[in-house]
Amino acid sequence: EAGVAQSPRYKIIEKRQSVAFWCNPISGHATLYWYQQILGQGPKLLIQFQNNGVVDDSQLPKDRFSAERLKGVDSTLKIQPAKLEDSAVYLCASSDSLSTKKTDTQYFGPGTRLTVL
Amino acid sequence: AQKITQTQPGMFVQEKEAVTLDCTYDTSDQSYGLFWYKQPSSGEMIFLIYQGSYDEQNATEGRYSLNFQKARKSANLVISASQLGDSAMYFCAMREALTSGGSYIPTFGRGTSLIVHP
Repeated sequence: EAGVAQSPRYKIIEKRQSVAFWCNPISGHATLYWYQQILGQGPKLLIQFQNNGVVDDSQLPKDRFSAERLKGVDSTLKIQPAKLEDSAVYLCASSDSLSTKKTDTQYFGPGTRLTVL
Repeated sequence: AQKITQTQPGMFVQEKEAVTLDCTYDTSDQSYGLFWYKQPSSGEMIFLIYQGSYDEQNATEGRYSLNFQKARKSANLVISASQLGDSAMYFCAMREALTSGGSYIPTFGRGTSLIVHP
């Protein structure tokens, strides 16, 4: 079974530029998560999708971040415009439950390391 | 307030010995789930073990066990017979219900760096 795919693996941009990350979850997984992991910290949930609907986006900085999962499969996370403090690893994860439960195990992709100069 | 607290930024252990990584959590929910993940230097998060708040037995998965003390709100990870490949960051996480809709969302701690010496 293929794991969670993410691209690109690395991205370097200048502040105020735009950037987009792509994630393809494990086949059949209904729930998809985007996390931001700043160096030395644990992952922080940005947004959680169930199929193509948003379950939670309370920690997504909506003035600059956006995410979509139009067909309920792969997803794109965009930052526009980027700030220096957006430098982090962006992790995508998926789980196979149709409704998010406390037992849901997440499977993570390799992440995209973003550097904003 | 931190929902997940991992007080040990770094731990060192001799190969083949056991090590305990601490995790305390804060929730007012009765129903929640606790997880441990491993993050090697490659960056990918790997699921290790799960404990439900209503589970009476401590969870075990191979060399990993979870010392769950509900009254103290602690969920410590015990790794027995440490191996060199266990050197990594370890994250404790909790899923608790959103107050509005009943969906469970995850929160992670800051992690503990484990180094296993030969």
